[in-house]
Amino acid sequence: SQKIEQNSEALNIQEGKTATLTCNYTNYSPAYLQWYRQDPGRGPVFLLLIRENEKEKRKERLKVTFDTTLKQSLFHITASQPADSATYLCALDDNNNDMRFGAGTRLTVKP
Amino acid sequence: GAVVSQHPSRVICKSGTSVKIECRSLDFQATTMFWYRQFPKQSLMLMATSNEGSKATYEQGVEKDKFLINHASLTLSTLTVTSAHPEDSSFYICSARDSRGRRNQPQHFGDGTRLSIL
Repeated sequence: SQKIEQNSEALNIQEGKTATLTCNYTNYSPAYLQWYRQDPGRGPVFLLLIRENEKEKRKERLKVTFDTTLKQSLFHITASQPADSATYLCALDDNNNDMRFGAGTRLTVKP
Repeated sequence: GAVVSQHPSRVICKSGTSVKIECRSLDFQATTMFWYRQFPKQSLMLMATSNEGSKATYEQGVEKDKFLINHASLTLSTLTVTSAHPEDSSFYICSARDSRGRRNQPQHFGDGTRLSIL
């Protein structure tokens, strides 16, 4: 069956450290993968997109990698801040023009 | 940036009531809009894809007669939960993709509707 698994439900780190979130997928062949941020009671907000032929993508303190052999994407936030605390969702295309989402990882950055 | 407005943000009503939720793209046109449902600490579950001027495409297990979708214009899609029951209580979120963009363009989400059926 098809699965999208994000490594942990919750991740707690200290301010200033790098947060690393994992997204693994099974029985998908996505042409691209996206990461979103969702705050409580709000809709997700798009952060980054990475295509299957790209190994890495950066945007300010964010970095995403995409390994189609491992079927995995890693999402890094460097120099993390308490304001980065949120739930982060990975999403990938299912080749039918629809995006499928993981359950998310709730990140808490402690001051 | 692109904005999607979803209304209402919260609904509390009695069992048996029908509830309509609106999703509007404010500064772009969207041939396709998506409706999701999200339970606490769970992922967004795609319910249906709303296509302007044609019938919506529903995911397996989603009752089309229960969740009526209308996409009458390039900027508006509505989801009506008919004869809602307590088990329909959830967080409903819509999203839209700019029609001018390629398929891999990001989706822009509304802020969701918290539906509570008593």
